[in-house]
Amino acid sequence: KNEVEQSPQNLTAQEGEFITINCSYSVGISALHWLQQHPGGGIVSLFMLSSGKKKHGRLIATINIQEKHSSLHITASHPRDSAVYICAVRSVNTDKLIFGTGTRLQVFP
Amino acid sequence: GAVVSQHPSWVICKSGTSVKIECRSLDFQATTMFWYRQFPKQSLMLMATSNEGSKATYEQGVEKDKFLINHASLTLSTLTVTSAHPEDSSFYICSAPVQSLYNSPLHFGNGTRLTVT
Repeated sequence: KNEVEQSPQNLTAQEGEFITINCSYSVGISALHWLQQHPGGGIVSLFMLSSGKKKHGRLIATINIQEKHSSLHITASHPRDSAVYICAVRSVNTDKLIFGTGTRLQVFP
Repeated sequence: GAVVSQHPSWVICKSGTSVKIECRSLDFQATTMFWYRQFPKQSLMLMATSNEGSKATYEQGVEKDKFLINHASLTLSTLTVTSAHPEDSSFYICSAPVQSLYNSPLHFGNGTRLTVT
């Protein structure tokens, strides 16, 4: 079992839909990151969380440390949101990042 | 915002040749640079951590003589894939923290897609 699991692996949506991507992890962490990887491969950091909730524009990220779970929400989705969304956690034991395999999102007009 | 510039974005080379990939921090000093490899539809895997002025730290299973890392200045880290083979074909991407490792957002280069024929 991977230490960082994401669901779903693939997600399609119509423009305007509310989207949720989930991340569960099994290790102790000091921080959790949500990343966006574009089709060309470039990666953008969306959020870094250690507790609670953060919002940036149409994106919201939440984390529940007790349940070892985080969600990334996209409101009013748009075709330009189409990308792979990656959850990564920093392990308190090793100090290294552990990456999920990503969720491939396609938003159709 | 902080920018990491990575070159080349793609490269095709023949088996047995060497390829150098550069990552530059454009508006901050990167004392640490992380080098990752990503195979299709897989997670990013950390290959090594480079620190300015000292030897890189390689992850288990990564050959340091094959993947040469140099971090000679606070703004430049390079990864050289020596004697490349088709199985080295992958997506290589660097990342640097702007501040301390523990509470810093991640800044990535745009990656290099290497194809070895």
